[in-house]
Amino acid sequence: GAVVSQHPSWVICKSGTSVKIECRSLDFQATTMFWYRQFPKQSLMLMATSNEGSKATYEQGVEKDKFLINHASLTLSTLTVTSAHPEDSSFYICSAPPGSTKNIQYFGAGTRLSVL
Amino acid sequence: GDSVTQMEGPVTLSEEAFLTINCTYTATGYPSLFWYVQYPGEGLQLLLKATKADDKGSNKGFEATYRKETTSFHLEKGSVQVSDSAVYFCALGGSNYKLTFGKGTLLTVNP
Repeated sequence: GAVVSQHPSWVICKSGTSVKIECRSLDFQATTMFWYRQFPKQSLMLMATSNEGSKATYEQGVEKDKFLINHASLTLSTLTVTSAHPEDSSFYICSAPPGSTKNIQYFGAGTRLSVL
Repeated sequence: GDSVTQMEGPVTLSEEAFLTINCTYTATGYPSLFWYVQYPGEGLQLLLKATKADDKGSNKGFEATYRKETTSFHLEKGSVQVSDSAVYFCALGGSNYKLTFGKGTLLTVNP
């Protein structure tokens, strides 16, 4: 089946630094990708919709200057957490729907971010 | 707005026991409903789905029926296995592929 690769799987950084997370669709093209955030024992919360060739669409309450999203190609979206702080520590997950199938999404394995 | 409420775990069962994980939803329009499963160390995988009322989704022995009258999509399996141990997420699919998730239910099946 379709595969979405997310990298890195775990990152530890110092407060104030920026961290980039990559999401790649390995065997299909994705004009749209989604970024989620998951807190411990909480559901996945949609942060933003990444659109190839245009600006990302952010959900209410998500700081677009804090979480920079770039959809550089049909197979790659990146999420950059800028000037990370301990409260940004979380599990970030991306997903992508293969264009030919509505309402089906393939998920990356997630990235655990720990900000010291 | 859209929301999903699912049974909180953790749920611990013995092998071959019957499983039910309850899920109810609130939505406008006619959403699609999904169950996703997350095995340890892996990403979410689609387990089953239903796109309209009275549809039954099924896969790997799991079933769920889209009940519009009760706004529910409960997950069931007649005989669980140790390999079914995972976190299960109920989700609602709205417009533009957006998904709204429940909090997830951790299932542990003991031999």
